[in-house]
Amino acid sequence: EPEVTQTPSHQVTQMGQEVILRCVPISNHLYFYWYRQILGQKVEFLVSFYNNEISEKSEIFDDQFSVERPDGSNFTLKIRSTKLEDSAMYFCASSEVASGNTGELFFGEGSRLTVL
Amino acid sequence: QKEVEQNSGPLSVPEGAIASLNCTYSDRGSQSFFWYRQYSGKSPELIMFIYSNGDKEDGRFTAQLNKASQYVSLLIRDSQPSDSATYLCAVIGTYGGSQGNLIFGKGTKLSVKP
Repeated sequence: EPEVTQTPSHQVTQMGQEVILRCVPISNHLYFYWYRQILGQKVEFLVSFYNNEISEKSEIFDDQFSVERPDGSNFTLKIRSTKLEDSAMYFCASSEVASGNTGELFFGEGSRLTVL
Repeated sequence: QKEVEQNSGPLSVPEGAIASLNCTYSDRGSQSFFWYRQYSGKSPELIMFIYSNGDKEDGRFTAQLNKASQYVSLLIRDSQPSDSATYLCAVIGTYGGSQGNLIFGKGTKLSVKP
């Protein structure tokens, strides 16, 4: 069964460093998303991406964050100058149609980011 | 900002019983509602979605929506220990775009005792 894959599964970084989280969405999906979940907290929407551009972003997704689809398969989240509060599980998701239509997001297993 | 509220639990039910999970939402204009299941340390997975007032059944799961009361629930019949997980309620949010992205509640932790 097709799945969304994410790497790394866990990354530890020093405060102020840049991290890149990588995702390979399901191949025929057109919509891509990043969500995050701070330990014990809600799953929070960060950004959605369609047709090689950001379609929506939340207030969390400030200038510290960027997304890119550098080739036909990868979808990346870059976090510049990481802060302690960026420590969270970051989930990539993809969908065949806009989530507003079916809500069927397929989530990857997540990348746990720990900022020290 | 749309809000989704859930009782965090834990909700404990014996095996074979009906588990009832509840969710309220703040935006009366919300149209689409989703239930996700999240096992500890894992990613959310969609159980079902509901758009219309009333009940929607899928196997052992029934979603119920009451837009007048801004209330959505999930019933799990014949609960199994494998149903033990956190159940997330979600609604479509809007961040200025038209696509609609999910706003999640904090989730209700369900424990099914053998």
